[in-house]
Amino acid sequence: GEDVEQSLFLSVREGDSSVINCTYTDSSSTYLYWYKQEPGAGLQLLTYIFSNMDMKQDQRLTVLLNKKDKHLSLRIADTQTGDSAIYFCAEENYGQNFVFGPGTRLSVLP
Amino acid sequence: GAVVSQHPSWVICKSGTSVKIECRSLDFQATTMFWYRQFPKQSLMLMATSNEGSKATYEQGVEKDKFLINHASLTLSTLTVTSAHPEDSSFYICSASEGRPNTEAFFGQGTRLTVV
Repeated sequence: GEDVEQSLFLSVREGDSSVINCTYTDSSSTYLYWYKQEPGAGLQLLTYIFSNMDMKQDQRLTVLLNKKDKHLSLRIADTQTGDSAIYFCAEENYGQNFVFGPGTRLSVLP
Repeated sequence: GAVVSQHPSWVICKSGTSVKIECRSLDFQATTMFWYRQFPKQSLMLMATSNEGSKATYEQGVEKDKFLINHASLTLSTLTVTSAHPEDSSFYICSASEGRPNTEAFFGQGTRLTVV
């Protein structure tokens, strides 16, 4: 079946850029998503990218998609302490199923 | 990682009937469970948050009498879609958390509901 993988932990210093990586196996993914989860809270959609795009930028967030390598990344510029959370990568296949990665815990150090 | 099992993975039902979806945490105690719904080409929408032994907290716009959530044990939460209509057809996904601060939530596989 489809699989989505992420590294589990990332630590950065406040003001630096964070890059969270994700790999997936389903070559027919249509949309790829990044979600943020703060402690005790539900998921918050950060951004998404359609599979025929290779980059999307939204303020401090930059999503890069390498469809050939099935690699997705989320870059957060000027990382702040409020960005500390767990970030989930997810892929969707024509609305048929939705597969999440295990999440990357981002810790922002002062 | 921790395992959350959601059942069934897909279901087809007739309009007017009720459907129950189960979400089980297999190797940890899930004091908090989240239920989401996804509309085609849209993001996941949080429907409700349930804590074991207490009533679920529903998000604005979600009908609690239509989407009944029961979280009676530390390993099981159920979502019952009552009197289902075709517009309830969607992908429903649960996630479970131990509920302690700074613990992540683990997702079930999702349930594709089709109401005909």
